[in-house]
Amino acid sequence: DQQVKQNSPSLSVQEGRISILNCDYTNSMFDYFLWYKKYPAEGPTFLISISSIKDKNEDGRFTVFLNKSAKHLSLHIVPSQPGDSAVYFCAAPDRGSTLGRLYFGRGTQLTVWP
Amino acid sequence: DSGVTQTPKHLITATGQRVTLRCSPRSGDLSVYWYQQSLDQGLQFLIQYYNGEERAKGNILERFSAQQFPDLHSELNLSSLELGDSALYFCASSVVSGGTFSGNTIYFGEGSWLTVV
Repeated sequence: DQQVKQNSPSLSVQEGRISILNCDYTNSMFDYFLWYKKYPAEGPTFLISISSIKDKNEDGRFTVFLNKSAKHLSLHIVPSQPGDSAVYFCAAPDRGSTLGRLYFGRGTQLTVWP
Repeated sequence: DSGVTQTPKHLITATGQRVTLRCSPRSGDLSVYWYQQSLDQGLQFLIQYYNGEERAKGNILERFSAQQFPDLHSELNLSSLELGDSALYFCASSVVSGGTFSGNTIYFGEGSWLTVV
């Protein structure tokens, strides 16, 4: 049972435009969310996170929005750059049991073209 | 470079065989986690060790086992391999096993590609 879902397997955006990656979750106990970025032949690397007490967190070109009532979050990248082309995973930690166990979505492949 | 080292990077083996994947965590990290990423799937949590002891189990098959040694490196043993076990296996490490979670406290290795033929 996928508790974290990314329903768009791929997204293609022109350089300079906004990229919006979406994520939905089903477990209302999740109170912290993360986005990871993964390049080919590399492991996932942490990008940005948000606590459920906030509805927005910004870090440079990256902003994550959280809508708790809809159990939905999104990652905005503005402006998009070719180097942003990677797979983006949405994840949430299982705070009820062990620190570090993460539930991941299936990922969205972002391609930024010149 | 995350500091987490996984070997081998690629492995091809036949059905029914047994393999061992190895993980060296970042220096000072006591927790090791194993994740499996199958084709078109997100990362699935398998198991966590903290300072040599099993801390949590996820969707790990009985044919799979893991351990963490006194020097904190970990091994994931996969036996009676089936075609469906073909996947990318990630190891991650962190300093802590409890407390406030922060995204930048867990570091992933590059993964070990396992192909079962």
